[in-house]
Amino acid sequence: DVKVTQSSRYLVKRTGEKVFLECVQDMDHENMFWYRQDPGLGLRLIYFSYDVKMKEKGDIPEGYSVSREKKERFSLILESASTNQTSMYLCASSLFRDSRHNSPLHFGNGTRLTVT
Amino acid sequence: QKEVEQNSGPLSVPEGAIASLNCTYSDRGSQSFFWYRQYSGKSPELIMSIYSNGDKEDGRFTAQLNKASQYVSLLIRDSQPSDSATYLCAVNVGGGADGLTFGKGTHLIIQP
Repeated sequence: DVKVTQSSRYLVKRTGEKVFLECVQDMDHENMFWYRQDPGLGLRLIYFSYDVKMKEKGDIPEGYSVSREKKERFSLILESASTNQTSMYLCASSLFRDSRHNSPLHFGNGTRLTVT
Repeated sequence: QKEVEQNSGPLSVPEGAIASLNCTYSDRGSQSFFWYRQYSGKSPELIMSIYSNGDKEDGRFTAQLNKASQYVSLLIRDSQPSDSATYLCAVNVGGGADGLTFGKGTHLIIQP
């Protein structure tokens, strides 16, 4: 079974703090993703990466950055946390991508971040 | 505009009946379609993937894809109370391989 591990289940941070959310997958997947999930808005893609040191913006990248120094690890960074970044953050990985198809996403358990 | 639409529900179905969940998408170029189940407070878990027109069955679950009409559905046979959850439809809108676009989910309640 694919295992995607997020470092924290719950996190409380102050406005203006720099926040790191860590994600590790153990199945040698090429692709990794960060989503946030909010009531009424669903899952929204923040950033994704399909190779080490590669990153691509998703639908809502503002206020976030990412780092992928190793294939198995994908970090989401909130440079200066704000209250509107209070959310459930979900990391996911997938095996492959080709020009037309996606393999399924496998999600971690999520990190519920509260910014006060 | 990437759009994946689902009826938010709640959809209430008696135990033992068939639950039918529907999803429409905006872009004809989409090629990969997935159904996820999400229990309250948990992360989404994959139920089915479907890439070609027609039906795909896995146990009590059947996914149906109609690209001409731009809809994908999920049927759950012999519904159980443990099937009560939010079901998310996910699509690679536009046919690209750059992440999936999720619908907002349908809340399904199976009544004992």
